Amino acid sequence: QAQLVQSGAEVKKPGSSVKVSCRASRNILSTYAIYWVRQAPGQGLEWVGRIIPFVGQVHYAQKLQGRVTTTADTSTSTVYMELSSLRSEDTAVYYCARVITTSGNVAAFDLWGQGTMVTVSS
Amino acid sequence: DIQMTQSPISLSASVGDRVTITCRASQNINNYLNWYQQKRGKAPKLLIQAASSLQSGVPSRFSGSGFGTDFTLTISNLQPEDFATYYCQQSYTPPRITFGPGTTVDIK
Repeated sequence: QAQLVQSGAEVKKPGSSVKVSCRASRNILSTYAIYWVRQAPGQGLEWVGRIIPFVGQVHYAQKLQGRVTTTADTSTSTVYMELSSLRSEDTAVYYCARVITTSGNVAAFDLWGQGTMVTVSS
Repeated sequence: DIQMTQSPISLSASVGDRVTITCRASQNINNYLNWYQQKRGKAPKLLIQAASSLQSGVPSRFSGSGFGTDFTLTISNLQPEDFATYYCQQSYTPPRITFGPGTTVDIK
């Protein structure tokens, strides 16, 4: 059964960095793009970045540009999201999610990791 | 970026009710619209993709419609397990996808 398994919760100081991992089963990274989406406590969903591991292409949300990096290690089927210069407003659950496309080329997230809570606090 | 709005932001309903949630995009997105259900403490679950295609395994009481800028998610015969928050999401401008603010359905 396909799945995405994320690393555990993190507590970080303002100004530091965090690196969250997302391990994919089967051949997910050789076939699908992976998004990172975050959700602040009690808030909605916000895209953070996208990686297409099999072509090495990455894109980031403009508001996080310069602070976020996503990478993939295909030998371990793991995708990483690193966020630097952490601020209190980065406190959120971070999800990785697989993208599928319909016959009409509409992209949707059909498989999600369990989420990783990142808390930024002094 | 394309902005997504939803209405209502919250609603109270009873088991067996028919519930309708609307989603509006700030510009035309054709049918590049998906719906998700999220329960407390869980990741979102894909219900409907491309505005009206039911995801495999999702009960047929869920349906979606719309095209262009206005979309609807309908839950007929609301069940206890349907009390959750529902999000629309546009994928017209990948990778810059955006979600609506969510609609919470709770028990009346």
